[in-house]
Amino acid sequence: KAGVTQTPRYLIKTRGQQVTLSCSPISGHRSVSWYQQTPGQGLQFLFEYFSETQRNKGNFPGRFSGRQFSNSRSEMNVSTLELGDSALYLCASSPRGPRGSHEQFFGPGTRLTVL
Amino acid sequence: QKEVEQDPGPLSVPEGAIVSLNCTYSNSAFQYFMWYRQYSRKGPELLMYTYSSGNKEDGRFTAQVDKSSKYISLFIRDSQPSDSATYLCAMSPTGTASKLTFGTGTRLQVTL
Repeated sequence: KAGVTQTPRYLIKTRGQQVTLSCSPISGHRSVSWYQQTPGQGLQFLFEYFSETQRNKGNFPGRFSGRQFSNSRSEMNVSTLELGDSALYLCASSPRGPRGSHEQFFGPGTRLTVL
Repeated sequence: QKEVEQDPGPLSVPEGAIVSLNCTYSNSAFQYFMWYRQYSRKGPELLMYTYSSGNKEDGRFTAQVDKSSKYISLFIRDSQPSDSATYLCAMSPTGTASKLTFGTGTRLQVTL
């Protein structure tokens, strides 16, 4: 079974631009979560989607948004990029139903650099 | 103060040593505890998953949870150079299963 895939793997943007990252979960997984990983803060939860609905949200500004499609694929968008948004963005999918799962399977991440 | 504290290391041990990795936490609502391993330029990989207090063993890995002390541990026996990675603890309360709170990770180097 194929793992979680994320595209693109690397991205360079300039301040003020916006960016869209994509995540394809493991086949059959309906829950997709997004995390930001930086050296100083570690892994921080952004949001989680289940059946095209945002189920949980972390403490990030409104510039960070996401969505999930009917095939469970998910995208996250960051608008008006800031230098501090440079990070590894990780997507994780979970196999369980509406109550979620603690067994999350991570993709390789998208490395975003903001210049 | 962060909800989950983890010594960043690096921790360097010789091959064959027993490794002890630890996290402390402050949120008593945490019920689910996990350990992830992350190799350079890769996403985290789930190693161990435990609920509430107790021990769990899987091959060379043993996870311990002491909720009374708000302290979790991961032991690696007979460590191998392939165990060299960053180890992340993660936890969540009941009811918000997918919203994990992570430690910052401990970098482990197993030398020949």
